[in-house]
Amino acid sequence: DAGVIQSPRHEVTEMGQEVTLRCKPISGHDYLFWYRQTMMRGLELLIYFNNNVPIDDSGMPEDRFSAKMPNASFSTLKIQPSEPRDSAVYFCASSPPLETQYFGPGTRLLVL
Amino acid sequence: GNSVTQMEGPVTLSEEAFLTINCTYTATGYPSLFWYVQYPGEGLQLLLKATKADDKGSNKGFEATYRKETTSFHLEKGSVQVSDSAVYFCALTLARGGGKLIFGQGTELSVKP
Repeated sequence: DAGVIQSPRHEVTEMGQEVTLRCKPISGHDYLFWYRQTMMRGLELLIYFNNNVPIDDSGMPEDRFSAKMPNASFSTLKIQPSEPRDSAVYFCASSPPLETQYFGPGTRLLVL
Repeated sequence: GNSVTQMEGPVTLSEEAFLTINCTYTATGYPSLFWYVQYPGEGLQLLLKATKADDKGSNKGFEATYRKETTSFHLEKGSVQVSDSAVYFCALTLARGGGKLIFGQGTELSVKP
């Protein structure tokens, strides 16, 4: 199994640009999670899906952030417009119908 | 509310030393408890877990016992190696079926030869 796949692994962009992060969960996992990791705030859950439906998006910082899961094998996290304070590592994780979550390698985002 | 508190790092040890990283939790129900490890530049990996009181999770020489009476899940290893250098996260979840993970702030471990 390839594990959770995220792309790109690194992204450098300028303030105001749109950023799209992508995630392919492990096949058969019903749950998908998006996290953000920064030195200041640690690991934060942004949103999670069950069977492609968003269940809890209370961690999404503001309207500039949006996430979609059009099918069971793909999800996106979009930031529009991006700001320097969005610079972080963004992780995607997926889970079967038990509690263990499997994390992707992360996307390191730098907004200049 | 539900939360996880870990001992602050960084923790610096010599190779073959004994490791303890403290973790306590607050939860309104009966959580499952986890330790995840993050090696430099990588995502988080599950290290071990316990789903009910008195369960002991173990993996790669690491152990943690779910103590309901003290609401704790301390991570231990008898003899650390340089390759154990990483950030360790304690976490809980209250919802079966892949619910939200609530993480502690992480504890950085550095093992010197």
